[in-house]
Amino acid sequence: DAGVIQSPRHEVTEMGQEVTLRCKPISGHDYLFWYRQTMMRGLELLIYFNNNVPIDDSGMPEDRFSAKMPNASFSTLKIQPSEPRDSAVYFCASSPGAQGSNQPQHFGDGTRLSIL
Amino acid sequence: AQSVAQPEDQVNVAEGNPLTVKCTYSVSGNPYLFWYVQYPNRGLQFLLKYITGDNLVKGSYGFEAEFNKSQTSFHLKKPSALVSDSALYFCAVRTFKAAGNKLTFGGGTRVLVKP
Repeated sequence: DAGVIQSPRHEVTEMGQEVTLRCKPISGHDYLFWYRQTMMRGLELLIYFNNNVPIDDSGMPEDRFSAKMPNASFSTLKIQPSEPRDSAVYFCASSPGAQGSNQPQHFGDGTRLSIL
Repeated sequence: AQSVAQPEDQVNVAEGNPLTVKCTYSVSGNPYLFWYVQYPNRGLQFLLKYITGDNLVKGSYGFEAEFNKSQTSFHLKKPSALVSDSALYFCAVRTFKAAGNKLTFGGGTRVLVKP
Protein backbone atom coordinates (compact mmCIF):
# COMPACT_ATOMS: atom_id res chain seq x y z
CA ASP A 1 0.00 0.00 0.00
CA ALA A 2 1.59 3.25 -1.18
CA GLY A 3 -0.16 5.42 1.38
CA VAL A 4 -1.29 8.99 0.79
CA ILE A 5 1.06 10.73 -1.62
CA GLN A 6 1.56 14.49 -1.62
CA SER A 7 3.56 16.68 -3.94
CA PRO A 8 5.64 18.70 -3.87
CA ARG A 9 7.26 18.01 -0.48
CA HIS A 10 8.65 21.50 -0.33
CA GLU A 11 7.59 24.69 -2.10
CA VAL A 12 9.21 28.08 -1.85
CA THR A 13 7.67 30.91 -3.81
CA GLU A 14 7.23 34.64 -3.75
CA MET A 15 4.24 36.49 -2.43
CA GLY A 16 1.51 36.90 -5.00
CA GLN A 17 2.30 33.71 -6.90
CA GLU A 18 -0.17 30.89 -7.39
CA VAL A 19 0.56 27.72 -5.44
CA THR A 20 -0.91 24.30 -6.19
CA LEU A 21 -0.57 21.40 -3.79
CA ARG A 22 -1.42 17.89 -4.91
CA CYS A 23 -2.68 14.77 -3.18
CA LYS A 24 -3.28 11.17 -4.19
CA PRO A 25 -5.38 9.38 -1.56
CA ILE A 26 -5.26 5.69 -0.76
CA SER A 27 -7.24 3.75 -3.32
CA GLY A 28 -10.76 2.93 -2.16
CA HIS A 29 -10.93 5.60 0.51
CA ASP A 30 -14.16 7.60 0.46
CA TYR A 31 -13.05 10.64 2.43
CA LEU A 32 -10.29 13.12 1.72
CA PHE A 33 -9.23 15.85 4.12
CA TRP A 34 -6.92 18.87 3.76
CA TYR A 35 -5.23 20.19 6.92
CA ARG A 36 -2.83 23.01 7.70
CA GLN A 37 -0.28 22.83 10.53
CA THR A 38 1.43 25.83 12.08
CA MET A 39 3.17 26.40 15.38
CA MET A 40 0.69 29.08 16.36
CA ARG A 41 -2.58 27.38 15.42
CA GLY A 42 -1.71 23.69 15.49
CA LEU A 43 -3.55 21.36 13.13
CA GLU A 44 -6.53 22.93 11.33
CA LEU A 45 -9.02 21.18 9.05
CA LEU A 46 -9.48 23.24 5.90
CA ILE A 47 -11.91 21.19 3.82
CA TYR A 48 -13.04 17.63 3.30
CA PHE A 49 -14.53 15.65 0.43
CA ASN A 50 -16.78 12.59 0.40
CA ASN A 51 -16.81 10.59 -2.82
CA ASN A 52 -15.11 13.50 -4.63
CA VAL A 53 -17.73 16.03 -3.51
CA PRO A 54 -16.70 18.93 -1.23
CA ILE A 55 -18.81 18.68 1.90
CA ASP A 56 -17.48 21.23 4.37
CA ASP A 57 -15.12 24.05 3.45
CA SER A 58 -15.77 26.14 6.55
CA GLY A 59 -12.12 25.88 7.53
CA MET A 60 -10.81 27.48 4.36
CA PRO A 61 -9.33 30.74 5.60
CA GLU A 62 -10.13 33.01 2.65
CA ASP A 63 -11.37 33.07 -0.90
CA ARG A 64 -7.75 32.88 -1.98
CA PHE A 65 -7.92 29.19 -1.07
CA SER A 66 -9.72 26.67 -3.24
CA ALA A 67 -9.75 22.87 -3.45
CA LYS A 68 -10.91 20.40 -6.05
CA MET A 69 -11.23 16.66 -6.38
CA PRO A 70 -11.82 15.86 -10.06
CA ASN A 71 -11.68 12.11 -9.48
CA ALA A 72 -11.24 9.55 -6.73
CA SER A 73 -7.46 9.46 -7.05
CA PHE A 74 -6.51 13.13 -7.13
CA SER A 75 -7.11 16.36 -5.26
CA THR A 76 -5.58 19.83 -5.37
CA LEU A 77 -5.40 22.71 -2.95
CA LYS A 78 -4.72 26.05 -4.62
CA ILE A 79 -3.73 29.38 -3.12
CA GLN A 80 -4.01 32.41 -5.39
CA PRO A 81 -2.53 34.89 -4.67
CA SER A 82 -0.25 33.53 -1.95
CA GLU A 83 0.79 35.58 1.09
CA PRO A 84 3.58 35.09 3.66
CA ARG A 85 1.02 34.15 6.35
CA ASP A 86 0.09 31.11 4.26
CA SER A 87 3.45 29.59 5.11
CA ALA A 88 2.73 26.28 6.85
CA VAL A 89 2.80 22.53 6.39
CA TYR A 90 -0.22 21.32 4.46
CA PHE A 91 -1.38 17.73 4.95
CA CYS A 92 -3.75 15.58 3.01
CA ALA A 93 -5.44 12.61 4.70
CA SER A 94 -7.86 9.95 3.54
CA SER A 95 -10.08 7.43 5.28
CA PRO A 96 -12.29 4.55 4.24
CA GLY A 97 -15.84 3.67 5.11
CA ALA A 98 -19.23 5.25 5.27
CA GLN A 99 -20.52 7.86 7.69
CA GLY A 100 -19.93 6.53 11.19
CA SER A 101 -16.99 4.34 10.25
CA ASN A 102 -14.45 3.85 13.02
CA GLN A 103 -11.50 3.67 10.64
CA PRO A 104 -8.60 6.08 11.20
CA GLN A 105 -7.47 8.77 8.83
CA HIS A 106 -4.21 8.13 6.99
CA PHE A 107 -1.95 11.12 6.44
CA GLY A 108 0.54 12.00 3.74
CA ASP A 109 3.93 13.44 4.63
CA GLY A 110 2.81 16.97 3.84
CA THR A 111 3.95 19.90 1.74
CA ARG A 112 6.08 22.46 3.52
CA LEU A 113 5.12 25.80 1.97
CA SER A 114 7.19 28.95 2.39
CA ILE A 115 5.93 32.22 0.92
CA LEU A 116 8.62 34.90 0.78
CA ALA B 1 -19.39 19.84 19.96
CA GLN B 2 -16.22 17.82 20.25
CA SER B 3 -13.06 18.92 22.06
CA VAL B 4 -9.77 17.43 23.16
CA ALA B 5 -7.26 18.69 25.71
CA GLN B 6 -3.65 17.65 26.00
CA PRO B 7 -2.58 19.49 29.14
CA GLU B 8 1.17 19.08 28.70
CA ASP B 9 3.03 20.80 25.88
CA GLN B 10 6.08 18.67 26.55
CA VAL B 11 6.93 15.52 28.46
CA ASN B 12 10.52 14.64 29.34
CA VAL B 13 11.42 11.10 30.33
CA ALA B 14 14.60 9.08 30.67
CA GLU B 15 15.09 6.10 28.39
CA GLY B 16 13.78 2.95 30.01
CA ASN B 17 11.31 4.79 32.22
CA PRO B 18 7.54 4.65 31.79
CA LEU B 19 6.00 7.21 29.46
CA THR B 20 2.52 8.73 29.86
CA VAL B 21 0.92 11.32 27.61
CA LYS B 22 -2.35 12.71 28.90
CA CYS B 23 -5.56 13.35 26.98
CA THR B 24 -9.05 14.34 28.07
CA TYR B 25 -12.02 14.77 25.80
CA SER B 26 -15.54 16.13 25.61
CA VAL B 27 -18.22 14.79 23.26
CA SER B 28 -21.94 14.23 23.19
CA GLY B 29 -22.38 10.50 22.94
CA ASN B 30 -19.95 7.61 22.84
CA PRO B 31 -16.47 8.62 21.72
CA TYR B 32 -14.18 7.16 19.13
CA LEU B 33 -10.67 7.99 20.38
CA PHE B 34 -7.40 7.94 18.45
CA TRP B 35 -3.71 8.51 19.08
CA TYR B 36 -1.32 9.61 16.37
CA VAL B 37 2.45 10.20 16.37
CA GLN B 38 4.33 12.67 14.20
CA TYR B 39 8.07 12.39 13.58
CA PRO B 40 10.03 15.35 12.16
CA ASN B 41 9.17 16.15 8.56
CA ARG B 42 6.58 13.39 8.42
CA GLY B 43 2.80 13.15 8.51
CA LEU B 44 0.73 11.89 11.41
CA GLN B 45 0.90 8.14 11.86
CA PHE B 46 -1.94 6.20 13.44
CA LEU B 47 -0.96 4.44 16.69
CA LEU B 48 -4.17 3.05 18.17
CA LYS B 49 -7.87 3.62 18.64
CA TYR B 50 -10.64 2.97 21.13
CA ILE B 51 -14.09 2.28 19.75
CA THR B 52 -15.77 -0.01 22.25
CA GLY B 53 -15.03 -2.96 24.49
CA ASP B 54 -11.91 -3.44 26.58
CA ASN B 55 -10.78 -0.17 28.14
CA LEU B 56 -7.11 -1.02 27.58
CA VAL B 57 -6.14 -0.75 23.94
CA LYS B 58 -2.81 -1.92 22.54
CA GLY B 59 -1.25 -0.37 19.48
CA SER B 60 1.91 -0.03 17.45
CA TYR B 61 5.48 0.23 18.79
CA GLY B 62 4.54 -1.06 22.26
CA PHE B 63 2.13 1.76 23.03
CA GLU B 64 -1.15 1.29 24.85
CA ALA B 65 -3.92 3.59 26.03
CA GLU B 66 -6.54 3.35 28.72
CA PHE B 67 -10.06 4.61 28.20
CA ASN B 68 -11.67 5.99 31.35
CA LYS B 69 -15.26 7.01 30.80
CA SER B 70 -15.84 8.56 34.22
CA GLN B 71 -12.78 10.78 33.88
CA THR B 72 -13.29 11.29 30.14
CA SER B 73 -9.64 10.47 29.60
CA PHE B 74 -7.62 8.43 27.14
CA HIS B 75 -4.00 8.54 28.29
CA LEU B 76 -1.26 7.05 26.13
CA LYS B 77 1.32 4.88 27.87
CA LYS B 78 4.48 2.94 27.18
CA PRO B 79 6.12 0.86 29.92
CA SER B 80 9.70 1.53 28.82
CA ALA B 81 10.45 4.54 26.62
CA LEU B 82 13.04 4.56 23.85
CA VAL B 83 15.00 7.50 22.50
CA SER B 84 13.31 6.81 19.18
CA ASP B 85 9.92 7.55 20.80
CA SER B 86 10.83 11.24 20.83
CA ALA B 87 8.16 12.84 18.67
CA LEU B 88 4.94 14.86 18.70
CA TYR B 89 1.85 12.99 19.87
CA PHE B 90 -1.76 13.90 19.06
CA CYS B 91 -4.96 12.70 20.65
CA ALA B 92 -8.15 12.93 18.57
CA VAL B 93 -11.84 12.28 19.11
CA ARG B 94 -15.09 12.01 17.23
CA THR B 95 -18.42 10.25 17.56
CA PHE B 96 -20.38 7.93 15.32
CA LYS B 97 -22.53 10.87 14.27
CA ALA B 98 -19.69 13.31 13.57
CA ALA B 99 -20.34 14.75 10.14
CA GLY B 100 -17.90 13.43 7.61
CA ASN B 101 -16.16 11.36 10.25
CA LYS B 102 -14.28 14.54 11.12
CA LEU B 103 -11.71 14.26 13.88
CA THR B 104 -11.06 16.90 16.52
CA PHE B 105 -7.38 16.97 17.43
CA GLY B 106 -5.67 18.09 20.61
CA GLY B 107 -2.85 20.58 20.46
CA GLY B 108 -0.17 17.92 20.63
CA THR B 109 2.39 16.90 23.24
CA ARG B 110 6.07 16.82 22.44
CA VAL B 111 7.84 13.85 24.00
CA LEU B 112 11.57 13.98 24.59
CA VAL B 113 13.23 10.76 25.69
CA LYS B 114 16.76 11.30 26.97
CA PRO B 115 19.42 8.58 26.88
